[in-house]
Amino acid sequence: GEDVEQSLFLSVREGDSSVINCTYTDSSSTYLYWYKQEPGAGLQLLTYIFSNMDMKQDQRLTVLLNKKDKHLSLRIADTQTGDSAIYFCAESILNGQNFVFGPGTRLSVLP
Amino acid sequence: GAGVSQSPSNKVTEKGKDVELRCDPISGHTALYWYRQSLGQGLEFLIYFQGNSAPDKSGLPSDRFSAERTGGSVSTLTIQRTQQEDSAVYLCASSGTGGEKLFFGSGTQLSVL
Repeated sequence: GEDVEQSLFLSVREGDSSVINCTYTDSSSTYLYWYKQEPGAGLQLLTYIFSNMDMKQDQRLTVLLNKKDKHLSLRIADTQTGDSAIYFCAESILNGQNFVFGPGTRLSVLP
Repeated sequence: GAGVSQSPSNKVTEKGKDVELRCDPISGHTALYWYRQSLGQGLEFLIYFQGNSAPDKSGLPSDRFSAERTGGSVSTLTIQRTQQEDSAVYLCASSGTGGEKLFFGSGTQLSVL
């Protein structure tokens, strides 16, 4: 069955880079996603990558995909206090009919 | 609308009562999902609607949970005879043609006393 795993907590200093890691099991994943959830809010789509890509960069965000190892990472450059949130990794299979979410990584940015 | 809208944002109810949670997806989105997020937990899939097809109810935890989607737009999640373990944030999401991006509402925080 499908399973997505993430470490639950990460703390970084303001201005440092953050790297949040994720592993998934379903090799038929079509897209892989990173969502951000701030307190009391729903999930906000940060970025996503098609499964035949290795890397995607969007301003301070860099997504790396190692399809062989089924490993996805999100790097946030120059992490700010406003980046403190829970980050969810997710995969979709069957062209978006089925989304599987990881448990979320709580990122704490220390001043 | 501009985004996925859920109401109410907060609901406090007594054990044993029925509750209805509403979701208004982004206009034109054909797919609609309900998820449950318990305190400190990830997202638990509940139910998925796609157009006029029969919904995928495989995630509903018990027969006390049901959902409808009228006219292919607004959806209502109903929980009958609520229990304390039903306390959670209920999130609705929708996606459009292509289906590769989910857009979430801000959720309904349900508290069962």
